Amino acid sequence: GQSLEQPSEVTAVEGAIVQINCTYQTSGFYGLSWYQQHDGGAPTFLSYNALDGLEEKGRFSSFLSRSDSYGYLLLQELQMKDSASYFCAVRWAAGNKLTFGGGTRVLVKP
Amino acid sequence: NAGVTQTPKFQVLKTGQSMTLQCAQDMNHNSMYWYRQDPGMGLRLIYYSASEGTTDKGEVPNGYNVSRLNKREFSLRLESAAPSQTSVYFCASSDLAGSSYEQYFGPGTRLTVT
Repeated sequence: GQSLEQPSEVTAVEGAIVQINCTYQTSGFYGLSWYQQHDGGAPTFLSYNALDGLEEKGRFSSFLSRSDSYGYLLLQELQMKDSASYFCAVRWAAGNKLTFGGGTRVLVKP
Repeated sequence: NAGVTQTPKFQVLKTGQSMTLQCAQDMNHNSMYWYRQDPGMGLRLIYYSASEGTTDKGEVPNGYNVSRLNKREFSLRLESAAPSQTSVYFCASSDLAGSSYEQYFGPGTRLTVT
């Protein structure tokens, strides 16, 4: 089976940097994705890492270490609109089946 | 280009009633998915369809059935609803041709079973 661990909640102020860690245990591993979900909304895709290293996309970056079964999402220059839940998800089969973590609620304060 | 659409947006059922949740995508994706999300939790895969004519069970398939009607449409049926099926249901689609494996989600159906 698959299991993922991520912190339940993080609070930070506008302009700060937040790192959301995700550790996983899985019988097969193809990649790690990150999704953002605002309250009452649908999840939206942020990033996907299949190989070790850092992928940068504007203010958001994602990192993967396959040997440590670990990844993180880095949110820089936090804005109020970044207040949302963030989910890591493991792609564990050659298709695109995902297992999601429980989510990290990020609260950005002025 | 509407992306992924779901109907209905809200539904209240009594225990034992049946209903079908509808999902359609206009992105010509091969793969479609049904998830449920309980309050304060992550998404759990109910069923998956890799392509038209194929379906596969996910983590929590009990109490549900699916139909991949054609490439665009993937429906989820609750034959005899139970209070434990109160949840938000999301449909998603993806195309494996790209390298990001992004899944595109519909707006969700909020289901309450009393």
